[in-house]
Amino acid sequence: SQTIHQWPATLVQPVGSPLSLECTVEGTSNPNLYWYRQAAGRGLQLLFYSVGIGQISSEVPQNLSASRPQDRQFILSSKKLLLSDSGFYLCAWSVPPPGVGNSPLHFGNGTRLTVT
Amino acid sequence: AQRVTQPEKLLSVFKGAPVELKCNYSYSGSPELFWYVQYSRQRLQLLLRHISRESIKGFTADLNKGETSFHLKKPFAQEEDSAMYYCALSGPNTGNQFYFGTGTSLTVIP
Repeated sequence: SQTIHQWPATLVQPVGSPLSLECTVEGTSNPNLYWYRQAAGRGLQLLFYSVGIGQISSEVPQNLSASRPQDRQFILSSKKLLLSDSGFYLCAWSVPPPGVGNSPLHFGNGTRLTVT
Repeated sequence: AQRVTQPEKLLSVFKGAPVELKCNYSYSGSPELFWYVQYSRQRLQLLLRHISRESIKGFTADLNKGETSFHLKKPFAQEEDSAMYYCALSGPNTGNQFYFGTGTSLTVIP
């Protein structure tokens, strides 16, 4: 069966420090991978999605970047964190293409990032 | 443009009462609609999807293309239904993306 692992679960980082959040999926090949940020009252904001190795689409210009060095690995990064980067970050995967053949998103447990 | 609207941020009902969480969407073509639920301290998980036409934990949702709605309903709410609910949309025209509403926090009062 497919599983998704996201770490760390919580992270406290000072302003200006770098960030690296990692997500890996097991039990499936060539998944679509996604990074979302969840904020109270604002729902889920799509940050990045990837349909293959090295292929990253950015939805919101910001202080963050994403990379997919391997088929089932998705990394969210920042060179210098801002206070506004605090939030709850979710990784998710789906079987491409979405919307065909009943392919919903499957989410990780999330990472609570606090920038101080 | 694709859009999902959940008009209620907070919804409280008494145990045993009917509950309806509203979801409206805009989409050109045939959408695929989902409801996701997040219980306290648990991951966001799929509750149901319109293609399956199934009932999960007593919840149902019917896609109404005329009204562009996908409301989530349950005839008798239970305390364990208290959670955050998100409506989501995907489809052939979304370019591998899923669009989420802002969510509705449901509280079932014992």
